[in-house]
Amino acid sequence: SQELEQSPQSLIVQEGKNLTINCTSSKTLYGLYWYKQKYGEGLIFLMMLQKGGEEKSHEKITAKLDEKKQQSSLHITASQPSHAGIYLCGADPSNTGKLIFGQGTTLQVKP
Amino acid sequence: NAGVTQTPKFQVLKTGQSMTLQCAQDMNHEYMSWYRQDPGMGLRLIHYSVGAGITDQGEVPNGYNVSRSTTEDFPLRLLSAAPSQTSVYFCASSFLTSGPGGELFFGEGSRLTVL
Repeated sequence: SQELEQSPQSLIVQEGKNLTINCTSSKTLYGLYWYKQKYGEGLIFLMMLQKGGEEKSHEKITAKLDEKKQQSSLHITASQPSHAGIYLCGADPSNTGKLIFGQGTTLQVKP
Repeated sequence: NAGVTQTPKFQVLKTGQSMTLQCAQDMNHEYMSWYRQDPGMGLRLIHYSVGAGITDQGEVPNGYNVSRSTTEDFPLRLLSAAPSQTSVYFCASSFLTSGPGGELFFGEGSRLTVL
């Protein structure tokens, strides 16, 4: 099983709708990354969270690391077609430098 | 500033051939890693390094070798390519502190096809 589980695996939303993607670990997270990838392209850094309860925003995307530091959520407000792509969470659950990623969430936004 | 540079961008191999994917970074990052990306599988860690002379296995190391003789370079070697190694490969680097040390910078990816 994956050390980092993302849900849902895929998501189709109507433009303008809000959505949330979750990333869950069975171990305490010592930091968590969110990346976005457009189809067939490289990875774009969105944000990094390090402290329990920390919340960061970038344009219409907000990410939070929960108090127990075992789950992070990524929330998109008023989705746009430009938000479409694959969202990946990454972390080092063992705190050894072994940075792993979840299986990704594919987002489609219908105009 | 070049960032993380991967070569080649595309490669086709026959089963059993060997090759090396090159990765270089010019940001003086201690941490470097290789991932492969397959549909529905996200990014899977192959090998990683926390500094020159130090390497360790990731989630899917079989069939791949790495070395880290300098801070800048982290080549990934396929000794005998197999069709299961058809994938897109990404190299990444970052500064290293306790836990993730900041943004993980990715190369543009290398698309490998093994026939």
